[in-house]
Order: sequence, then structure tokens, then C-alpha cells
Amino acid sequence: GAGVSQSPSNKVTEKGKDVELRCDPISGHTALYWYRQSLGQGLEFLIYFQGNSAPDKSGLPSDRFSAERTGGSVSTLTIQRTQQEDSAVYLCASSLDRVAGNTIYFGEGSWLTVV
Amino acid sequence: GENVEQHPSTLSVQEGDSAVIKCTYSDSASNYFPWYKQELGKGPQLIIDIRSNVGEKKDQRIAVTLNKTAKHFSLHITETQPEDSAVYFCAAVMNRDDKIIFGKGTRLHILP
Repeated sequence: GAGVSQSPSNKVTEKGKDVELRCDPISGHTALYWYRQSLGQGLEFLIYFQGNSAPDKSGLPSDRFSAERTGGSVSTLTIQRTQQEDSAVYLCASSLDRVAGNTIYFGEGSWLTVV
Repeated sequence: GENVEQHPSTLSVQEGDSAVIKCTYSDSASNYFPWYKQELGKGPQLIIDIRSNVGEKKDQRIAVTLNKTAKHFSLHITETQPEDSAVYFCAAVMNRDDKIIFGKGTRLHILP
């Protein structure tokens, strides 16, 4: 596609439910990133994929968070047993290859509200 | 690990004046420094970047400078316009791990 596509754009869920957030990177981009942005705050790193493997999962805040990437393309971020503090914008980004040599492009984000 | 400090957190400038946002980083191995602009309700968009082998880069009204010795880099916006109002993020990247570390952002207000 023309840009990084994320869905849903908005999600309201009840506390305790599971949610899945989807990221479709730019075609051909091998590197994929997930970030979390709480209201008025900066960008918190969650996880990084190079192809289908995740060399850096250090940012996942708890074992309720997991992410996978299949076929070197689409990625899914799953939050189990959601809590109110999970409310944030979840941003996905991709780059052609390793970011140190390439530009990284962000999607518009998935706005998650846990009530 | 890398740490990026960004100042100021909020900046108001008169339309037509210049705006400067400064960032410092901690790890001398960082070698790529992008700047992003985020408008309300949207994802961050790259506006300019600089690599460690360059001291300055300019693109129309936007420029970035890098001082590797002091480990700081700055964004300069000249002749500011209302559409420049947004949140700006600096970032630092190390070649060895590709982790992008962002500053906490600067909310820029352009006053009419």
C-alpha cells in the first residue's frame, strides 16, 4: 500500500477483554515497530520486528502484551485482559530495512480506550 | 541504553519568527537522528533527518544541526507559519540495534 495502515483506528473495550491491533506495513518493508503513546506523552517503544523475528521485545510492558508478524508483512499486537492503563494510541511504523540506513514511516495509530 | 532529552516541552513563537528545539543523547554510538512532526490525531511524520557524518542539513525553512562531540542536535524552523503548530519529536538511533529512542516531544504554538 501507499503507507502504513493500521486497524482499527479506534477501539473502545471493556476492562478484562482482549484486543487485537493490526498493522499493515509499506509493501517490501522488512522492519516493523510498535510504539505506544499515552495522551500528551512521548513515544514508548514496545517491540521491533526484522522480517518475522523479533530481536527486541524489551519494551513490552507485561506478559499481557504480545505481538507476531507472519509472512514478513502484517503484524498483530495483542493485549490480553485489558486494563485502564492500557488506554493509549498504539503506533506502528515500518522501514525498508534496518532503520539506521532507511527512513521510518508511521501509521495513523490505533486509539484504544479501556472502560 | 540510549536516553534522549528534549527541550523545551512547550514553545510559543510569533508567526514569522524562528523556533529552535534542542535534544541531547547519551550514547556516542548513535548515528542517525530523525525529527518527526505530529499533528493532532495523526501519526508522526518525518520532516528531516541527519546522519552522524554530517554537521548540518537544510530543507527550505527547516534545518537540523548536529554536534557529535557535545552529543546534541537541534531543529530550527525559520519564518514560522500557523501550520507549523504541532508536536515535534527528536530521536536517536544506534546502528547496532536499530532501536529508535524518542525525546518526550515539544508542543510548538505559532501565535498570530
